[in-house]
Amino acid sequence: QVQLVQSGAAVKKPGASVKVSCKASGYTFSNFYMHWVRQAPGRGLEWMGFIVPYNDYTTYAERFQGRVTMTRDTSTSTVYLDLSSLTSDDTAVYYCARGDTSGWEHFFDSWGQGTLVTVSS
Amino acid sequence: EIVLTQSPGTLSLSPGEGVTLSCRASQSVSSRYLAWYQQKPGQAPRLLIYGASSRATGIPDRFSGSGSGTDFTFTISRLEPEDFAVYYCQQYGSSPPTFGQGTKVEIK
Repeated sequence: QVQLVQSGAAVKKPGASVKVSCKASGYTFSNFYMHWVRQAPGRGLEWMGFIVPYNDYTTYAERFQGRVTMTRDTSTSTVYLDLSSLTSDDTAVYYCARGDTSGWEHFFDSWGQGTLVTVSS
Repeated sequence: EIVLTQSPGTLSLSPGEGVTLSCRASQSVSSRYLAWYQQKPGQAPRLLIYGASSRATGIPDRFSGSGSGTDFTFTISRLEPEDFAVYYCQQYGSSPPTFGQGTKVEIK
């Protein structure tokens, strides 16, 4: 079965960066887009972008452009989210979520368990 | 970007009752590219419906979706105890994908 296992919670100071990992198993890693979605405490869901594991192509939501980087390691079937210049507004649970194979339909059929990132001085 | 507005914000219902949730888009959602998710406290969202009306793998048939253009609905025919949760709609017909603010279905 499809499994996405994320790294543990992190506490960061304002201005710092955070790197969250998401290890995939149970399917052919390279064949499916991988997205990142975040959820601030008590708030809704916000799409951040995706990476195509097959060719390392990325697309980021405009509001995160310049401070987000998504990468992948095909040898370990792991994707990474790197977010820099953190502020308290970045305090949220970050999810990786599997997309489709074609890149046409960005809905998410499997999700990681979430990683809480807390930004506090 | 497309803004999705869900209504109502909260519903208080009893097990066995039926419920219909609404999701209205600020502009037409192309190709009926709309999904519904369920989220319980402390858990990740779970895909229920995609393509406006197709049930995801393993989703019971008491869950259904319909609609097109700017108006979509999600229905649970008979609420089971495990169905009390927050439900989100999401459009993926245009970039960026966006989510509604959620409807909470709580036990009366």
